[in-house]
Amino acid sequence: EIVVTQSPGTQSLSPGERATLSCRASQSVSSDRLAWYQQKPGQAPRLLIYDASTRATGIPDRFSGSGSGTDFTLTISRLEAEDFAVYYCQQYATAPDTFGQGTKLEIK
Amino acid sequence: EVQLVESGGGLVQRGGSLRLSCAASGFTLSRYWMNWVRQAPGKGLEWVANMNQDGSEKNYVDSVKGRFTISRDNAKNSLYLQMNSLRAEDTAVYYCAREDSGLHNWGQGTLVTVSS
Repeated sequence: EIVVTQSPGTQSLSPGERATLSCRASQSVSSDRLAWYQQKPGQAPRLLIYDASTRATGIPDRFSGSGSGTDFTLTISRLEAEDFAVYYCQQYATAPDTFGQGTKLEIK
Repeated sequence: EVQLVESGGGLVQRGGSLRLSCAASGFTLSRYWMNWVRQAPGKGLEWVANMNQDGSEKNYVDSVKGRFTISRDNAKNSLYLQMNSLRAEDTAVYYCAREDSGLHNWGQGTLVTVSS
């Protein structure tokens, strides 16, 4: 099983700042089959990025994904109030698929 | 518009069984892998199971192997999760999700509570 570890656990930033979230896999994620999701309280997760760097439909361009192999990054260029939420990465290259434990992005 | 609607959750005793359903609309179910993902109260997401378009390939997280069975009926546009020998640690909101390189669409979830 590929273990996925996210850091930091919590990040405190202000609106307008840049956020950088990290996701590290215990083994190489083949074909960069890694996704990022956003989840707000009481809601289902929403896909932001798939295949490491492709934005999902309707996702603003302030969200970007990068990385390959074992190290991946989600960057939010200029935080807006609606971006404060929990973010998860998921590898879907090797069964069982696995999620990271999440990064909570909170308002400073 | 793609819609996924889960049902079948509820309160069940430890060791009991429950069958979750996911009704799909707005897309052709038979073209996609489908997944179940769960989230225990106050915890993160945990992938549970998925299956391919015709049901010939199924994958499960180790903690549910031998107890849960994923299935689908493409003619009825429905996905299922049969859960047997339920444990307290299976208490969670269960989501179904459509896979297409990542999980592009999610239902609103159905809550399963296992009482001990």
